[in-house]
Amino acid sequence: NAGVTQTPKFQVLKTGQSMTLQCAQDMNHNSMYWYRQDPGMGLRLIYYSASEGTTDKGEVPNGYNVSRLNKREFSLRLESAAPSQTSVYFCASRERPSGTYEQYFGPGTRLTVT
Amino acid sequence: GNSVTQMEGPVTLSEEAFLTINCTYTATGYPSLFWYVQYPGEGLQLLLKATKADDKGSNKGFEATYRKETTSFHLEKGSVQVSDSAVYFCALSDLVWGNNRLAFGKGNQVVVIP
Repeated sequence: NAGVTQTPKFQVLKTGQSMTLQCAQDMNHNSMYWYRQDPGMGLRLIYYSASEGTTDKGEVPNGYNVSRLNKREFSLRLESAAPSQTSVYFCASRERPSGTYEQYFGPGTRLTVT
Repeated sequence: GNSVTQMEGPVTLSEEAFLTINCTYTATGYPSLFWYVQYPGEGLQLLLKATKADDKGSNKGFEATYRKETTSFHLEKGSVQVSDSAVYFCALSDLVWGNNRLAFGKGNQVVVIP
């Protein structure tokens, strides 16, 4: 089991460029999540997908879009990157959207927007 | 809404010292509580959890007890090692719009000096 995988590991973009961050999980989990991590801010939820075919906004969705391509894959797209989107992005999955289930995290993507 | 508060600032201590990281929460209902650990350059991984009041979660020498009367879930370890240097996040399950999400605290950097 690879768990949760993310690509790429590192990325540098210029302001205005677009890109898609990829996430896949092989644990047959129903729910998937995208977070960003910034110094002093902890983890903030961008978007989540409680189950295949559904997506919902989290705390900080502006400037992002997501696609739940199938049960395994959940991608995050930046249409027009801004320096404020410089961050570390984590994808996570969870067996079910229920209180007792833990989230499993990927290794992260470090994005710099210049 | 539901939220988690962790004590401010990094924690620096010597090897074999006692570690406490405070976590308090605000929640409606009966959330599950979690501690996650993030080692340098990695994603978060579950350290321990508790799903109801008075439960004690434990793992790798770490412990935390779910205290409903004080709305707390403090993390403790009796004798830390250099390998425990990491960032520690407290989290709770957050029932929002029928879907449970995790709400994270801002995290505490722990540095253990030999």
